[in-house]
Amino acid sequence: QVQLVESGGGVVQPGRSLRLSCAASGFTFSNYGMHWVRQAPGKGLEWVAVIWYDASNKYYEDSVKGRFTISRDNSKSTLFLQMNSLRAEDTAVYYCARVRDYRDSSGKGGFDYWGQGTLVTVSS
Amino acid sequence: QSALTQPPSASGSPGQSVTISCTGTSSDVGGYNYVSWYQQHPGKAPKLVIYEVSKRPSGVPDRFSGSKSGNTASLTVSGLQAEDEADYYCNSYAGSNIFYVFGTGTKVTVL
Repeated sequence: QVQLVESGGGVVQPGRSLRLSCAASGFTFSNYGMHWVRQAPGKGLEWVAVIWYDASNKYYEDSVKGRFTISRDNSKSTLFLQMNSLRAEDTAVYYCARVRDYRDSSGKGGFDYWGQGTLVTVSS
Repeated sequence: QSALTQPPSASGSPGQSVTISCTGTSSDVGGYNYVSWYQQHPGKAPKLVIYEVSKRPSGVPDRFSGSKSGNTASLTVSGLQAEDEADYYCNSYAGSNIFYVFGTGTKVTVL
């Protein structure tokens, strides 16, 4: 069965860095576009970034552009999110999510599998 | 890009129907037939219940239906059941610069 397991969250000071991982199993990871979506405590969902199945394209939400980098290792079925220059407003649960249709990495047809999320807290 | 507008709450008795609206602009909801809806129970990951405005993933009961008119999309849950009590979020594709915008979320209560 499809599984996505995030790790790497924790408490970090403002201005520091953190790297999140999302280990995928149960499907051919290299065929699917992948996304990161976050949710601040008690708040709604916010799309963060997308990476194409072959890493040929990457796009980011405006507030994280230049600070966050999405990447993937298809040989290890793992998705990453490198987060630099962290701010208090980046505090959230970060979810990785798979696009529903492998033919569309952008995910316009929705995200059908999500990880359980990993909490990132940015605080001094 | 502003979040799509949803009512904060909605409720209904078991067996009744509830409809949640999701209002955006011509740059997102109105411009594309790529609206999805997600159900989220407390402490859990979101679950896809509707994609491409009105399509249901396999395994989602046909009690869930979606539609769109102009800049507003809607999710209707018919025959409400206790397990439908959750937060619901709409999501729309918004073009290759912004990509996605989520709704503000609606808490559905089964009375």
